Formats: sequence, C-alpha cells, structure tokens
Amino acid sequence: SSELTQDPAVSVALGQTVRITCQGDSLRSYYASWYQQKPGQAPVLVIYGKNNRPSGIPDRFSGSSSGNTASLTITGAQAEDEADYYCNSRDSSGNHREVFGTGTKVTVL
Amino acid sequence: EVQLVESGGGLVQPGGSLRLSCAASGFTFSSYSMNWVRQAPGKGLEWVSYISSSSSTIYYADSVKGRFTISRDNAKNSLYLQMNSLRAEDTAVYYCARYSPAAIPYFDYWGQGTLVTVSS
Repeated sequence: SSELTQDPAVSVALGQTVRITCQGDSLRSYYASWYQQKPGQAPVLVIYGKNNRPSGIPDRFSGSSSGNTASLTITGAQAEDEADYYCNSRDSSGNHREVFGTGTKVTVL
Repeated sequence: EVQLVESGGGLVQPGGSLRLSCAASGFTFSSYSMNWVRQAPGKGLEWVSYISSSSSTIYYADSVKGRFTISRDNAKNSLYLQMNSLRAEDTAVYYCARYSPAAIPYFDYWGQGTLVTVSS
C-alpha cells in the first residue's frame, strides 16, 4: 500500500518562506493536492495538479513535485497561514484508494 | 455557492449503527462523484469511501469495508453513509467531500463535518 510521509512540524518567521514536503511512491504517478486545516475547521484545498490554486487562495502558496516528493511552499508566510497541512494523492498500487499524508503543523513565529 | 452540510453524528455504543447524511447545494450534485473522509480526534485525515455520480462505482477503505455502506440520492441532492458494527476506532469527525471532475481528481469542497463518538 502507498503511504505519504510529512514532517510533523515546521516553523517559519513572519514574512519568510517555508517548504513542506510529502514523500511517497504514489507521487511518482500522481500529482499531490494540498489541504490547509485550521483548528476546528474543515480542510480547505490550497494546491492541486501540477501547481494550481483554487480561486481565493493567495499566490504565496505554490506547489512542485520531483520523483517521489511533492512540496508546498509558502512564500512570505502570514500569521493566518498557521495551520495543519495535508498532502493527498491516489494510491498507485492499483486499488482505488485515496491516501493522505501524515500532516505538518506550520507555526508562524 | 457550493455547500455541503453533514448531519447524523452522535454518541453510539460499540456494535451499534448510525447513518450520516450530507446535503449538497449550489452545484449540480448528480454530476459529481463524492467521498467521505474522517478525522479521529487529534489525528490526521483518512479517506473512507467513494461513490461515482451515478452510484455505479463504489470504493471503501479496508478499515470500513463490510461495515459501512455509501449511497446517494441525486433527486434529493444527498449523500449518505450507513455505518454498522461500529468500533471505538471509528470515533471521528466525518466529512463529506466533493471530487473535482479532473483527470487527476482532488477534493475541491468539504463540509464542516459531523462528530461520531463510539463509546459505552
């Protein structure tokens, strides 16, 4: 089965850049999508496909991928970006199964 | 505006049953595949089940296969999750999430979730 691994926590100074990574075999076959989740709220899609942002998502959010690793970059982090971030992709093992990453807690200092 | 509103959560004893509902509005519900995703307290997201727009294709996570049944009523713009033989480890917030109609789909809209607590 496919798993997606993320660093549990990262911190970034206000206005600086932070990169969140997601590793897994399925990422060699599928792009990751990324979700932001603030305490007590539902996840919100922030990046999908090669590097696409839904309407309303600031352009400081960007995505990239190489090999088995997908990355979400926040350029010029703001206080409101403090949240949990999850990557997601289809399982590449042949089962129709969606897999979520373990999640990364981003703290803006 | 796309809206997904879950309901039906609550406290249930181990071995019991519960039926969750998700009311959809603001889009043509019958054109979209839908999913259930859950999140145990303090834990990450876990995909639970998928249903295609016409209900012709259904998938489940191994952890719920044989116990949960996903269904939909396109005339009522509603998605359902029948949960039987509930276990303590099924305790979670359950979200319904719309699947985008893309070549590589993603979850583009989520409801606010409904909490299911399995405890005696």
